[in-house]
Amino acid sequence: GNSVTQMEGPVTLSEEAFLTINCTYTATGYPSLFWYVQYPGEGLQLLLKATKADDKGSNKGFEATYRKETTSFHLEKGSVQVSDSAVYFCALSDPSGGSYIPTFGRGTSLIVHP
Amino acid sequence: DGGITQSPKYLFRKEGQNVTLSCEQNLNHDAMYWYRQDPGQGLRLIYYSQIVNDFQKGDIAEGYSVSREKKESFPLTVTSAQKNPTAFYLCASSIGSGQGETQYFGPGTRLLVL
Repeated sequence: GNSVTQMEGPVTLSEEAFLTINCTYTATGYPSLFWYVQYPGEGLQLLLKATKADDKGSNKGFEATYRKETTSFHLEKGSVQVSDSAVYFCALSDPSGGSYIPTFGRGTSLIVHP
Repeated sequence: DGGITQSPKYLFRKEGQNVTLSCEQNLNHDAMYWYRQDPGQGLRLIYYSQIVNDFQKGDIAEGYSVSREKKESFPLTVTSAQKNPTAFYLCASSIGSGQGETQYFGPGTRLLVL
């Protein structure tokens, strides 16, 4: 079946530091990959996505590249801000695994200090 | 503005009581979903619906029930059979049911047991 593994948090950084949150996946076919972000007390919202190998998703300074050879979709940002403090979820959608419904990772909490 | 609304924001349940969580969307989306979020466990799918008057069980449907009588509404009832209902409940929708579809989330309802 499908699965998503994210690095455990919390990740604690100072403002303007470089961010990497690792995400690896297991899928039967060729999944679409997503990063969602959840700010405190809110629902999730899509941050970026990629639908095929070597695609790069980007939004608000965040980037992630779909790496089929390493089954990874790591999230990066060059300079984080305090306002980026949130929980980040990696997810995949692969109907060949039996359902199109996304499989989510457990989430990685990011804390950015001024 | 289009979006998903959930109510109430906080809900308290007494022993043996059924409670209903509301989810409404005005995005004209066909598919709707209910997730349960517990600390450190990511999102777990309770029920989903791809079309009006049809719905399917997710991974943790026991103790929950849903209805989909209107396209814009997908209420979730937490029954007395659900022995550990304390959690954050998220409703989501998507345009359709295909791979790569973005899910749009509501702000969530936090259910607490008295």
